Amino acid sequence: QVQLVQSGAEVKKPGASVKVSCKASGYTFTSYGISWVRQAPGQGLEWMGWISAYNGNTNYAQKLQGRVTMTTDTSTSTAYMELRSLRSDDTAVYYCARQGIAAAGRVYYFDYWGQGTLVTVSS
Amino acid sequence: SSELTQDPAVSVALGQTVRITCQGDSLRSYYASWYQQKPGQAPVLVIYGKNNRPSGIPDRFSGSSSGNTASLTITGAQAEDEADYYCNSRDSSGNHRGVFGGGTKLTVL
Repeated sequence: QVQLVQSGAEVKKPGASVKVSCKASGYTFTSYGISWVRQAPGQGLEWMGWISAYNGNTNYAQKLQGRVTMTTDTSTSTAYMELRSLRSDDTAVYYCARQGIAAAGRVYYFDYWGQGTLVTVSS
Repeated sequence: SSELTQDPAVSVALGQTVRITCQGDSLRSYYASWYQQKPGQAPVLVIYGKNNRPSGIPDRFSGSSSGNTASLTITGAQAEDEADYYCNSRDSSGNHRGVFGGGTKLTVL
């Protein structure tokens, strides 16, 4: 069965960096992309970006450009999301999700999700 | 602000039908996908594309689309359907970036 298992909770100080991992199993890792989604406390879902596990191509949310880097390690079927220059409003649960595409590219969907990683930014 | 607009809250009587909508210019070019999220849990995909349900999702969930509006319909709502629902699609910039609606809190009365 498909599983995405994320790394544990993190507490960081403002200005620091965090790197969250997402280990995939149960499918061919390079056949799907991975998107990262975050959710601040009591707020909605926010799409952060996407990485192709096939060739490493990325597409980041405009507001995070320059602060976020997404990578993959195909040898271990693991995706990573690094966020730098952390601020208090980066406090959120961070999810990885497997991204599929259908209908000749007219629909993107996230069919499997990790359990979430709480990142707390506090001085 | 989100490029996809959802009503913040909707309620439905047990066993009745409810429609949750999502509006945005990008929905004229892309289909939406819909996610159910219960407190403390990761989101779950319930509908994607024209009207596709992943395995394990009850057939009381259905999707539709017209113009700039995508809809999620629950026919015969159950108590366990009480949750937050989010639509997702691409933004309208042409850069294929993803965007979520603000979410709809569904209450089953």
